[in-house]
Amino acid sequence: EVQLVESGGGLVQPGGSLRLSCAASGFTFRGDWMHWVRQAPGKGLVWVSRVNVDGGIKAYADSVKGRFTISRDNAKNTLYLQMNSLRVEDTAVYYCARERYYYSSGSDAFDIWGRGAMVAVST
Amino acid sequence: QSVLTQPPSVSGAPGQRVTISCTGSRSNIGAGYDVHWYQQLPGTAPKLLMYTTSNRPSGVPDRFSGSKSGTSASLAITGLQAEDEADYYCQSYDNSLSGWVFGGGTELTVL
Repeated sequence: EVQLVESGGGLVQPGGSLRLSCAASGFTFRGDWMHWVRQAPGKGLVWVSRVNVDGGIKAYADSVKGRFTISRDNAKNTLYLQMNSLRVEDTAVYYCARERYYYSSGSDAFDIWGRGAMVAVST
Repeated sequence: QSVLTQPPSVSGAPGQRVTISCTGSRSNIGAGYDVHWYQQLPGTAPKLLMYTTSNRPSGVPDRFSGSKSGTSASLAITGLQAEDEADYYCQSYDNSLSGWVFGGGTELTVL
């Protein structure tokens, strides 16, 4: 079964750090670009970060640039998101998602999603 | 404010047809980047519902269809069913932001 399972969420104070993990199974993880997407309580989806197959190419939303770091360990089939200098506005459910590239249109969608990990930043 | 604009809510009676719009700009949909749609049932993760404007992943009923024109796209649902109650999100790529963008989401209520 194709599956993504996030872990590492929790409650942290403003300015603190947290590392999320996303364990992949049922597909060839090392061959896929991966993303993090977040959703604040009662709000919509917001793209956070993306990493290529070997971890050498990374992209970030402006809101997290310089504070968050995406990485992956293909030997462990695991995606990570290191979150530093956390702010109250980072409070959200964080989803990892697999990128599916469609050559017919040159566009990317997110075809597999994990169940999400809740991150709460509060005093 | 989301880069892609969707109506906050739509509703329809069982069996009816509803459409959800997704309006972008020249840096995303208007630049030729395709639109994808996601369905998020209450308390669950998003699920890919429609890819590259009008293609359905395996298992998605043909009651769902998509279209795109200019800087906008639409998702249509015919023969509404109670199980369609969910939040729906459009998504594309934006070349001025160099990132992936979503609409703010549309809550569908089946009356």
